[in-house]
Amino acid sequence: DAGVTQSPTHLIKTRGQQVTLRCSPISGHKSVSWYQQVLGQGPQFIFQYYEKEERGRGNFPDRFSARQFPNYSSELNVNALLLGDSALYLCASSLTTGTAQETQYFGPGTRLLVL
Amino acid sequence: AQSVTQLGSHVSVSEGALVLLRCNYSSSVPPYLFWYVQYPNQGLQLLLKYTSAATLVKGINGFEAEFKKSETSFHLTKPSAHMSDAAEYFCAVRNTGGFKTIFGAGTRLFVKA
Repeated sequence: DAGVTQSPTHLIKTRGQQVTLRCSPISGHKSVSWYQQVLGQGPQFIFQYYEKEERGRGNFPDRFSARQFPNYSSELNVNALLLGDSALYLCASSLTTGTAQETQYFGPGTRLLVL
Repeated sequence: AQSVTQLGSHVSVSEGALVLLRCNYSSSVPPYLFWYVQYPNQGLQLLLKYTSAATLVKGINGFEAEFKKSETSFHLTKPSAHMSDAAEYFCAVRNTGGFKTIFGAGTRLFVKA
């Protein structure tokens, strides 16, 4: 079975631009979460979506938004890019969002560089 | 609020030596704890997770971790390090609502030949 897939793998943008990152969860998984991993740090939670609804949001500005589609894939959008948005963006999928012990499966990430 | 602290940003061991990566957690409720590994330029792979079924948890690649409530610790160990174990390791806790995973800052493991 295919794991979590993300596209693109790498991206270079300039300050002020907008970017869209995409994620396809494992087949049968209905929940997608997004994390930002700045170089040298652990991942930081951005959003979780379940059944196309936002179920949780981390401490990120409104420039960050996301959505989930009927096929459970997801997009993360970042507007007005700043240099500090340069990071590895990770997508994780899980079956549901109901239990804290549920395993999240991570994709390979999209590495975003903002110049 | 839950949190995890990883002691030591870098750990270096010789091939064949014991690996010990330290993690302490803070949680007002029984925690769900995880260890992930990240190889260079890759995403995160789950090594093991603690869900209160057993205090000693065995994971993949020979790793195991022991949950110690009295010490609020969840240290990761492997009896004999292999060169392929060189990677970044993250300890993590799931928040009470279950919708986000809170990661530690990570420990980079170096394995010397």
